[in-house]
Amino acid sequence: EVQLVQSGAEMKKPGESLKISCKGSGYKFTNYWIAWVRQMSGKGLEWMGVTYPADSDTRYSPSFQGQVTISVDKSIGTAYLQWNSLKASDSALYYCTVGYISSWSWDFWGQGTLVTVSS
Amino acid sequence: SSELTQDPAVSVALGQTVRITCQGDSLSSYYANWHQQKAGQAPVLVIYGRNKRPSGIPDRFSGSSSGDTTSLTISGAQAEDEADYYCNSRDSSGNHVVFGGGTKLTVL
Repeated sequence: EVQLVQSGAEMKKPGESLKISCKGSGYKFTNYWIAWVRQMSGKGLEWMGVTYPADSDTRYSPSFQGQVTISVDKSIGTAYLQWNSLKASDSALYYCTVGYISSWSWDFWGQGTLVTVSS
Repeated sequence: SSELTQDPAVSVALGQTVRITCQGDSLSSYYANWHQQKAGQAPVLVIYGRNKRPSGIPDRFSGSSSGDTTSLTISGAQAEDEADYYCNSRDSSGNHVVFGGGTKLTVL
């Protein structure tokens, strides 16, 4: 069974750094694109970027380029989303998702990681 | 980059048929996915590719496309179909994904 398990909720202060994780299981992690999606409170889904673990080909939405870093650790089947300096506007629910049934179909989703940035 | 446009809200009477549309330039080149998101839950894929349903999705959900518009049709809407629905597809470059703004479906 394909599963994506994300790290727990985080409460941070503006300017702090953060790295959240998404561990895939039940499938060959390196062979499927994995993406990150933001959902701000009461708002819609926003695609942040995608990475292909086999070769680390990573593409960012223009809206998030330079704001976050997507990476993977193939040895433990885990993808990461990282901020170097958080802002209050980064407060949101973050999902990872994998295109398994078809490339870029986004058919399996993690449970979401809530990030709260407040002074 | 390109955008996908959805109506913010649609309503349907219980048991009736409803169509939710998504319009954008990239849809002339790429298939769209449709995701259902219920309150407090992660999104669920309901349609992908050329009108394909993942395992477990009821056959009352179907997809279609024409030109730059793709549609999700729910035939015989049920109370449990009340949710937000999002279309998404590759953008015109093919290197990024773009989501529509979402449609809130109310089943009356």
